[in-house]
Amino acid sequence: KQEVTQIPAALSVPEGENLVLNCSFTDSAIYNLQWFRQDPGKGLTSLLLIQSSQREQTSGRLNASLDKSSGRSTLYIAASQPGDSATYLCAVRQGAQKLVFGQGTRLTINP
Amino acid sequence: SQTIHQWPATLVQPVGSPLSLECTVEGTSNPNLYWYRQAAGRGLQLLFYSVGIGQISSEVPQNLSASRPQDRQFILSSKKLLLSDSGFYLCAWSGALSTGELFFGEGSRLTVL
Repeated sequence: KQEVTQIPAALSVPEGENLVLNCSFTDSAIYNLQWFRQDPGKGLTSLLLIQSSQREQTSGRLNASLDKSSGRSTLYIAASQPGDSATYLCAVRQGAQKLVFGQGTRLTINP
Repeated sequence: SQTIHQWPATLVQPVGSPLSLECTVEGTSNPNLYWYRQAAGRGLQLLFYSVGIGQISSEVPQNLSASRPQDRQFILSSKKLLLSDSGFYLCAWSGALSTGELFFGEGSRLTVL
């Protein structure tokens, strides 16, 4: 059974720092991995999608990497801003219709 | 561009009352549609998914049901709500390919009293 773990559960950093969020999964047989952002009381916003054949994806200040063999992905956020404060979730697509989500990392950027 | 609409945004219902949450997708055809529930401390749980009209797969046994009467419409229902049905319900869609990106609606907050 696939398990997705995100550590730490919460992270607080000062504005301007570069930071890394971690996601690990137990079964490397995945179609893809997706990173989401969730603001309080809102739905999930897709940030980046990495196919199983890819090593990384970039969008603006965000860079996500995927190492399937070790069961790990990282989300790198450069020059963090207060507006980046949110919960970040990763999810792996295992079956054709099934995504398995981590519990998320709650990120706070302090001005 | 594709958009997903979900309503109502907030709902407070007594135990034993019925439920209907609706989700529609615009700007795409034949999407895969999903209902998730997010409960405090339990993460996101897949409840139902649908790959086409009238085709519903259930992931978790419960007193909820789903229907897909039209290609881009997905409805979550219950005949009698339980306290444990309280939570944040999220509709999502992806393209027909299994490697497709998943997109979520804004969610519906259900409180059962």
